[in-house]
Formats: sequence, structure tokens, C-alpha cells
Amino acid sequence: QVQLVESGGGVVQPGRSLRLSCAASGFTFSIYGMHWVRQAPGKGLEWVAVISYDGINKYYEDAVKGRFTISRDNSKNTLSLQMNNLRAEDTAVYFCAKSRGGGYNSPFDYWGQGALVTVSS
Amino acid sequence: EIVLTQSPGTLSLSPGERATLSCRASQSFSSNYLAWYQQKPGLAPRLLIYGASSRATGIPDRFSGSGSGTDFTLTISRLEPEDYAVYYCQQYGSSPLYTFGQGTKLEIK
Repeated sequence: QVQLVESGGGVVQPGRSLRLSCAASGFTFSIYGMHWVRQAPGKGLEWVAVISYDGINKYYEDAVKGRFTISRDNSKNTLSLQMNNLRAEDTAVYFCAKSRGGGYNSPFDYWGQGALVTVSS
Repeated sequence: EIVLTQSPGTLSLSPGERATLSCRASQSFSSNYLAWYQQKPGLAPRLLIYGASSRATGIPDRFSGSGSGTDFTLTISRLEPEDYAVYYCQQYGSSPLYTFGQGTKLEIK
């Protein structure tokens, strides 16, 4: 069965960095696009970033562009999100999610359990 | 950017009743690339509907989606106790930018 397990969350001071990882299993990781989606406490869902199946193409929402970097290692079935210059408004649960299809025009059919990132001094 | 507006914000219904949730887009997008997700407290979202009307794997047939253009609807024909949750619509037609609605909370009356 498909499993996505995030790790790396925690409490970090404003301006510092944090790296999230997502370990994937139960499917052929290397042929699907992958996403990060976040949810601030008590708020709705916000898409953060997507990476193509081969890791070549990456896209970000405007609020994180230039600060966050999405990457993947298809040899290790791992998705990552490097978050630099963190701000209080980045505080959220971060979910990794699998694209249902091979292209960008696909919904997210499997999600991890989420990793909480708290940015606070 | 396509903005999705869901209504109502909160829907209070009793088990066995029919639920109708609305999602309106600020502009049309490609090929009804509209999905619905269910989220229960402390859990990850679950894909219910994609392509505006196709049920995802394992989703009961009491869930149905409809609509096109800018107006979409999620209908739950007869509410079961496990259906009380927050529901989000999402567009993936202007990808690689994706947007979610603000959510509709379905609560027990």
C-alpha cells in the first residue's frame, strides 16, 4: 500500500532553516510528480510546491519562492523541502502528497500524516 | 490566480440527510480539473472526487460531484456518522499552480 511518511519538523527561530523529508513506499516513486502542501493551525490547505517525476521541473507558490527548495532522490524514494529564512507565517503542518497522474493536471491521491513546523523565537 | 469560494462555511445536518456543498471559481479552468477532499481533525486530507465527477478509489457511491465551468457541487446523498468533516475543493487546471477553497465544515445537527 502507498505510504508517505514525513519527518524533520520542529521548532525553529525566525530566519533559520529547516529541512523536511518524505519517505515514499508502495508505488513507483520515480514516475509521479510530488507536492508539498501546508496547513496553518486552524486554517485551510495551501499548496506550496511541486516537483516533476524526474526532478527537473519545480514550481512554487509566491509566498515561498526564493526561500524554499523542493527536491527528490528517486534512488532513495525520498522527497525533500529545504526551508530557509523561515518566518512566523510559515508555521504549519506540512504534508507531502503524491500526484495521481504523471503530469501536472492531476489531483493529489495520497498524503502523508504531516510534519509540524513552528517558527517562533 | 484562480480563487475558489466554498459555501456555506458551515453546514449543520442530521445523519441520513442530504448534503450539498458548493465551490465557485473566479474564472473557468481547463477540463473540469476540480477535486474534492475530506479532512477529519488531526488527519491528512483524503481525495474523494476528481475531474469534477469521478470518484476516487474506495469512495462510497453516496458521494458524487457535478458541475462545470465555474460552478461545482459535492453531494452526499445520505449522511453517515463518519462523513462529518471539513471538505475542500481544489483546482488543478491552471497547474502547475494549484488552489484550494477555504473549506466547508459539515457538522452534526
